[in-house]
Amino acid sequence: KAGVTQTPRYLIKTRGQQVTLSCSPISGHRSVSWYQQTPGQGLQFLFEYFSETQRNKGNFPGRFSGRQFSNSRSEMNVSTLELGDSALYLCASSHPDRANSPLHFGNGTRLTVT
Amino acid sequence: EDQVTQSPEALRLQEGESSSLNCSYTVSGLRGLFWYRQDPGKGPEFLFTLYSAGEEKEKERLKATLTKKESFLHITAPKPEDSATYLCAVRKRDDKIIFGKGTRLHILP
Repeated sequence: KAGVTQTPRYLIKTRGQQVTLSCSPISGHRSVSWYQQTPGQGLQFLFEYFSETQRNKGNFPGRFSGRQFSNSRSEMNVSTLELGDSALYLCASSHPDRANSPLHFGNGTRLTVT
Repeated sequence: EDQVTQSPEALRLQEGESSSLNCSYTVSGLRGLFWYRQDPGKGPEFLFTLYSAGEEKEKERLKATLTKKESFLHITAPKPEDSATYLCAVRKRDDKIIFGKGTRLHILP
């Protein structure tokens, strides 16, 4: 069974630009969550999507947005990039029909903003 | 405020030297506690789910336990390949999941 796939693995962008990250969940998983990981703050929750609807949202500015498609694939967009947005962005999928289903993570997209 | 705190931040052990990692939490309504292992350059890998105080789960050299305020990840006779960052996460009543900042474990051969 294929795991969670994130593309691209690495990105280098300039301040002010925007970026789109992609995530393909495990087959059958309809919930997709996004996290930002930095050395100082650890894993910070961005948002969760289920059946194309945002179900939960973390405390990030509106520059961070996401969406989910009918095949459960998800994209995350960051506009007007800032230096502080440099981080590892992790996507995780889970099976919401099973109580307390754990998150299964991809290997992330490493974003560097210069 | 909901919080998940892991200690120590970093731990160096000799091969075979057993120890425990701690995860303490204060959240409104615990639905489950998760342990993950993360290797450099990779995403977290799921290890265990614990649901209620008194529960224990084991996998090879790892055993996770849960009380009403904290969880422990016990590592028995560790090997160098157990070196990784271990993350604890808590699912709250509203389904949001909060992660601790992790413990970086280094096992010396």
